[in-house]
Amino acid sequence: GESVGLHLPTLSVQEGDNSIINCAYSNSASDYFIWYKQESGKGPQFIIDIRSNMDKRQGQRVTVLLNKTVKHLSLQIAATQPGDSAVYFCAERGYSTLTFGKGTMLLVSP
Amino acid sequence: GAVVSQHPSWVICKSGTSVKIECRSLDFQATTMFWYRQFPKQSLMLMATSNEGSKATYEQGVEKDKFLINHASLTLSTLTVTSAHPEDSSFYICSARDSLAQETQYFGPGTRLLVL
Repeated sequence: GESVGLHLPTLSVQEGDNSIINCAYSNSASDYFIWYKQESGKGPQFIIDIRSNMDKRQGQRVTVLLNKTVKHLSLQIAATQPGDSAVYFCAERGYSTLTFGKGTMLLVSP
Repeated sequence: GAVVSQHPSWVICKSGTSVKIECRSLDFQATTMFWYRQFPKQSLMLMATSNEGSKATYEQGVEKDKFLINHASLTLSTLTVTSAHPEDSSFYICSARDSLAQETQYFGPGTRLLVL
């Protein structure tokens, strides 16, 4: 059930800044990683993915970096906009299912 | 992109009643669908993996007799919360894996369940 007092880590940025959201994953055998954006009351929306044989992948305004040595994943958003405000989750695929990280709330001020 | 729908988008029910949630892949076939539960300010937790034509695989701690899953066709999976209690109130999200593109998993918009 719900944990009393639980809160999401929050990153607050100004419009136009670059944002970096970090994620530590747990399974060294994971071979595929995805970043999702979730707006309030909606399902997760795919942003970008990366396979374990890569360390960087770029999309439109977004870049994902993978450091397998320390099991760390990051999402960089360039020129952050108010519409980017949401909760961002990383997910790792170990065997056949996705495991989601705890999430980070991104707040973008105009 | 591919679309996954859920129905209903929200439901309020009395304690002790059962609620059925539908998950449909609208423009692709999905031999595998997944059901997640998300409590406020928390992450998505996988409840079960639904396989077309066979029994669902439940995650540890999820009661299969309470959360009944049926995946009768390649485009439809249903989750029935039986004898719902207030602690079952949550946001239920399904996702579907494209049978032709196994790495791609699309998420539905979620169903908000409130049990009074």
